[in-house]
Amino acid sequence: GIQVEQSPPDLILQEGANSTLRCNFSDSVNNLQWFHQNPWGQLINLFYIPSGTKQNGRLSATTVATERYSLLYISSSQTTDSGVYFCAGTNTGNQFYFGTGTSLTVIP
Amino acid sequence: DGGITQSPKYLFRKEGQNVTLSCEQNLNHDAMYWYRQDPGQGLRLIYYSQIVNDFQKGDIAEGYSVSREKKESFPLTVTSAQKNPTAFYLCASSIGTGSYEQYFGPGTRLTVT
Repeated sequence: GIQVEQSPPDLILQEGANSTLRCNFSDSVNNLQWFHQNPWGQLINLFYIPSGTKQNGRLSATTVATERYSLLYISSSQTTDSGVYFCAGTNTGNQFYFGTGTSLTVIP
Repeated sequence: DGGITQSPKYLFRKEGQNVTLSCEQNLNHDAMYWYRQDPGQGLRLIYYSQIVNDFQKGDIAEGYSVSREKKESFPLTVTSAQKNPTAFYLCASSIGTGSYEQYFGPGTRLTVT
């Protein structure tokens, strides 16, 4: 299967700071998603981004498919951004592979 | 309200008992999935179904069984053969397999003692 490496594993930020989360894949993927897992365990869709750049408010994501990585940018972080961020990808369309996540804590 | 529901939220069982987790979606999605999450880990695929009456094993299907008799429903049974059943179980669905987004339910925390 595809190996997914996320970095950093843990991140502590002061409110208002910016951050970049990275996701590397061991093989090409044609379907890539970023999720935020809240403290209750719910996975919230952030981006579906197999290639290119997308923005949604303070969050944006870029995927460079040819180099097998994706970046998630969080600007002006807020305490509600705390949680675990996962990326997941597939090249078969049904078997998604998840990274082990980046745990983000935003301090007021 | 369209979405994916999982019940119950918390489930406690004694070792040796089978237990069935419910997953229902009203999104009219063809594909449905079951994942397992252990503490500090990512999600791993147990089973997926592309259409009614069809399902395929994921990486960690041993000790689990599923059925897909209706488009809306994809229940997961954790059998007594599953050696480490205590985990957080998440159900997901997508329009189809391929280049489509997956959407997740709220999950069920299963504790087996």
